[in-house]
Amino acid sequence: DQQVKQNSPSLSVQEGRISILNCDYTNSMFDYFLWYKKYPAEGPTFLISISSIKDKNEDGRFTVFLNKSAKHLSLHIVPSQPGDSAVYFCAARYLDSGNTPLVFGKGTRLSVIA
Amino acid sequence: EPEVTQTPSHQVTQMGQEVILRCVPISNHLYFYWYRQILGQKVEFLVSFYNNEISEKSEIFDDQFSVERPDGSNFTLKIRSTKLEDSAMYFCASSEVGTGSDNEQFFGPGTRLTVL
Repeated sequence: DQQVKQNSPSLSVQEGRISILNCDYTNSMFDYFLWYKKYPAEGPTFLISISSIKDKNEDGRFTVFLNKSAKHLSLHIVPSQPGDSAVYFCAARYLDSGNTPLVFGKGTRLSVIA
Repeated sequence: EPEVTQTPSHQVTQMGQEVILRCVPISNHLYFYWYRQILGQKVEFLVSFYNNEISEKSEIFDDQFSVERPDGSNFTLKIRSTKLEDSAMYFCASSEVGTGSDNEQFFGPGTRLTVL
């Protein structure tokens, strides 16, 4: 049962252009969403997050958009740089008591071509 | 910058053997987690740990798995009798708080477990 889905396993983008990574979720109880970046031989690194009370959060070149009605979020990277080449994981969780686990998607491998 | 560390980076074991994967969470963090990623699949939650007890566990975390915080710095995952399907990358994570939007989980580099 995939509660968090990343339907594109890979994406190639030219340096300087916009990268758009998409994520869909099925569980309406999720109210906090995160993007992690992972390089080979390293653990996932937190990138940016968004609470369900917002529809946009921006941090430098990274912007996450949330469409609650569509249960869809996206990560925009502008401009894309070769160092952005990595696997990007979408994750979701509940903001309730206790240390709630993250539910991850399968990831999208982004390749930024110079 | 503080980071989560894990040892060993790669563990090879025979089926049926016990393995212990070790993690040193970030020092002021109170919440600890284990996740795993089977090759080509998504990262999956195993267990969370707070105040010396398990807070939550997934259906993957059966009786063959156990976690322990044997001292003030280490957090271990033990698999009592490994199976072929336990082969995966195991990630430890820690967070300063357990709830709210500040609950950013920091991940270690992972231990690759290969069961032969």
